[in-house]
Amino acid sequence: KQEVTQIPAALSVPEGENLVLNCSFTDSAIYNLQWFRQDPGKGLTSLLLIQSSQREQTSGRLNASLDKSSGRSTLYIAASQPGDSATYLCANYNFNKFYFGSGTKLNVKP
Amino acid sequence: DVKVTQSSRYLVKRTGEKVFLECVQDMDHENMFWYRQDPGLGLRLIYFSYDVKMKEKGDIPEGYSVSREKKERFSLILESASTNQTSMYLCASSFFTGGTGELFFGEGSRLTVL
Repeated sequence: KQEVTQIPAALSVPEGENLVLNCSFTDSAIYNLQWFRQDPGKGLTSLLLIQSSQREQTSGRLNASLDKSSGRSTLYIAASQPGDSATYLCANYNFNKFYFGSGTKLNVKP
Repeated sequence: DVKVTQSSRYLVKRTGEKVFLECVQDMDHENMFWYRQDPGLGLRLIYFSYDVKMKEKGDIPEGYSVSREKKERFSLILESASTNQTSMYLCASSFFTGGTGELFFGEGSRLTVL
């Protein structure tokens, strides 16, 4: 069974810092990998999707990379802002099932 | 803009009541999912459906049932609500074949069972 791990569980950084969130998975046979953001009491918002044939995707200050062979994905956030404070989850899709990590709770201090 | 809409953001029900949670998507997705999310337990799949009138049990189907009579609508039913079903419920949808497999979520339904 696919296991998805996100470390650290929580992260607190000062505003303006560049940071990296990590996602690891045990089975490299994935169709895609997706990063989400979740604000308290809300649903998950899709941030970036990387297809299995791709290595990275970028959107604004966000960059996500995928290394299937090592079972890892990273989400890079440049010049963090207080508005980036949220929980970030990664998930991969394989055989019609989605496998989620437990998330990294990010706090960006003004 | 893609949209998954959950009918109720907040519900308060009493033990033993029958509860309906409705979800509608406007993207013509084949797949629809119901998850619950609890602190420390993450997202857990309750049921999913890959076509009209089709359903598959997820990891925690006990105490729940689902209905998918139309492609755009997927309902979660709690036949007799219990306090341990107090949770955040999240509906999601995606394409089954073709496309990127991107998953889209609704805003969530916070259910409290007293």
